[in-house]
Amino acid sequence: KAGVTQTPRYLIKTRGQQVTLSCSPISGHRSVSWYQQTPGQGLQFLFEYFSETQRNKGNFPGRFSGRQFSNSRSEMNVSTLELGDSALYLCASSPGGLQGFGYTFGSGTRLTVV
Amino acid sequence: QQQVKQSPQSLIVQKGGIPIINCAYENTAFDYFPWYQQFPGKGPALLIAIRPDVSEKKEGRFTISFNKSAKQFSLHIMDSQPGDSATYFCAASMTGTYKYIFGTGTRLKVLA
Repeated sequence: KAGVTQTPRYLIKTRGQQVTLSCSPISGHRSVSWYQQTPGQGLQFLFEYFSETQRNKGNFPGRFSGRQFSNSRSEMNVSTLELGDSALYLCASSPGGLQGFGYTFGSGTRLTVV
Repeated sequence: QQQVKQSPQSLIVQKGGIPIINCAYENTAFDYFPWYQQFPGKGPALLIAIRPDVSEKKEGRFTISFNKSAKQFSLHIMDSQPGDSATYFCAASMTGTYKYIFGTGTRLKVLA
């Protein structure tokens, strides 16, 4: 069974640009979450989607957005990139029960903003 | 109230030792406490998780101890091996929030 797939693995962008990251969840999983991981702030929750609906959102500026498609694949977008957006962006999926537990993480996309 | 405090920041043990990583929380509404292991260049992988109605849970060499009254939980790794060298994260979640609050991580090194 394939795991959570994130593309691309590495990305270098210039300040002010925008970026789109992609996540394919485990087959059958309907919930997708996104986290930002940095050495200074650790793992921080960005947002969670289930059946194309955002059910929760973390404390990030509006430059960070996401969406989920009908096949459960998800994308997140960061507009007007800042140097501080450099981080490992992790996607996680779960079957999507009401409890919201049991997330499996992908290997992440390493974003570097220069 | 949403924080999860994790200690120590780093830990070095000899092969066969029992490293213990501790986490504490404030919000009593948390009802799910997973531990994740992360190797360099990889995403976190779920090791073991516990609910507050259980005081201890074992899976292989990994044991979670949970103290509901103290609002603390800890991870014990029995017979630790060099391959266990990784960063460990505790987390907490509330039913229906669909998000984890992670601790700051513990970098474990097991010496051969």
